[in-house]
Amino acid sequence: EDKVVQSPLSLVVHEGDTVTLNCSYEVTNFRSLLWYKQEKKAPTFLFMLTSSGIEKKSGRLSSILDKKELFSILNITATQTGDSAVYLCAVRSGGSNYKLTFGKGTLLTVNP
Amino acid sequence: KAGVTQTPRYLIKTRGQQVTLSCSPISGHRSVSWYQQTPGQGLQFLFEYFSETQRNKGNFPGRFSGRQFSNSRSEMNVSTLELGDSALYLCASSVGQGAGSWEQYFGPGTRLTVT
Repeated sequence: EDKVVQSPLSLVVHEGDTVTLNCSYEVTNFRSLLWYKQEKKAPTFLFMLTSSGIEKKSGRLSSILDKKELFSILNITATQTGDSAVYLCAVRSGGSNYKLTFGKGTLLTVNP
Repeated sequence: KAGVTQTPRYLIKTRGQQVTLSCSPISGHRSVSWYQQTPGQGLQFLFEYFSETQRNKGNFPGRFSGRQFSNSRSEMNVSTLELGDSALYLCASSVGQGAGSWEQYFGPGTRLTVT
C-alpha cells in the first residue's frame, strides 16, 4: 500500500526562524511529489517536483526531492505569522490509472 | 478568472439518504478531482474526471460516484450515507494535460454532516 509520512506532525517557531518540513514516501511507480499549504480553507498549490536534486523556489519557500532516498523537504526561511498553516505533501504514483496519496500534514505555528 | 466554486457549502443529511455535491472548475480547466478530508484520515483522493470521463479513482466504495458534464462542471454523489461520510469534500480543477497539468486549484469545499 502506498504511504506518505510527514514529520514533524506539528512545529512551533518564532518569526524569523527557518523551518524544514519533511516528507518521505513509499509508493509504486512514483510520478511526482506535490506540496500544498492549507490554512482555514482549501489547500493552495505550492510546488510540484518530479526530478531529483532540482530545487524549486518561490520567495522564502523552497523544496527539493531525493528520489533515491524517497523523501522531499520544504524549507521556509525568515518565517512570518502568515506562514502558519498545515503543509501537506502528496505523491502521485501509478501508470495511466494514477493515485494521489496525501500525508497527514505538518501543522506549523509561527509566533510573533 | 473566477476560482473553483462548490455548492452547497454546508449540508446536513441523515443516515441512509443520498447527497449530490457540485463543482464548477476554473474556466478552461478540463480536469476535476474530488477529495474527502477528515481529521482522522486526512485528505484522501476520491476520483478525477477529464473530458467527461473518469480518468482515475481512489479507494472508496461504490456508494461514491461522480460525473462530469461537457462544460467541465462535475457532480459527486454519495448514496446510502453513513456517519463516517461526514467530512469536508473538496474539489480541485486543473488544466488536465500538458505542462503544469497537475497544478491544482481547490474550491472552498462542502462540509457534509451526517446525523
